[in-house]
Amino acid sequence: DAGITQSPRYKITETGRQVTLMCHQTWSHSYMFWYRQDLGHGLRLIYYSAAADITDKGEVPDGYVVSRSKTENFPLTLESATRSQTSVYFCASRERGLPYEQYFGPGTRLTVT
Amino acid sequence: AQSVTQLDSQVPVFEEAPVELRCNYSSSVSVYLFWYVQYPNQGLQLLLKYLSGSTLVKGINGFEAEFNKSQTSFHLRKPSVHISDTAEYFCAVSFITQGGSEKLVFGKGTKLTVNP
Repeated sequence: DAGITQSPRYKITETGRQVTLMCHQTWSHSYMFWYRQDLGHGLRLIYYSAAADITDKGEVPDGYVVSRSKTENFPLTLESATRSQTSVYFCASRERGLPYEQYFGPGTRLTVT
Repeated sequence: AQSVTQLDSQVPVFEEAPVELRCNYSSSVSVYLFWYVQYPNQGLQLLLKYLSGSTLVKGINGFEAEFNKSQTSFHLRKPSVHISDTAEYFCAVSFITQGGSEKLVFGKGTKLTVNP
């Protein structure tokens, strides 16, 4: 199916473990983004990518690593998960240029115990 | 720095009543404006957007928003809400940074609850 998908949808992990959240889009959009959503904070940008092999930090990048070897995939890795990283994570993508509309995936709910 | 303020964190209304969700932004450069909706346990989807032209923008599900440059506002309205409009609504502002890249800033969201 065309669109943007995230996996897993739900994940429970322990403090200190490494966990990778996957994001895949079928539109060949140039830009991809990772956000976290927490009560009282709205959406905060973690990392974004303008193209394959080009990534840049957002507002809250500490504790996260991203890569983008293929245009369609943008995995987010928590190298050593902490309880403060318990959140809902959204991946988004958009085309290069106007209208700058971002398309969002369904989200991954991550709980770090 | 650019910022987005959604003035109400929660808005309860009765079914078939009108509703306005308020959004103000702060920016020294030209912006593009968006409203997104998030239904429970789902991702965000675009309701409407303002890029240029008419300041009154119509979106999906009967929503509309008005861009007011002097007031730096982009309030969302619907004349008659349904139970199914219960969701969280996010205002977002897109602008071009000094470095030439585009940045999208979200407000903290307004939870709309429509009661029977």
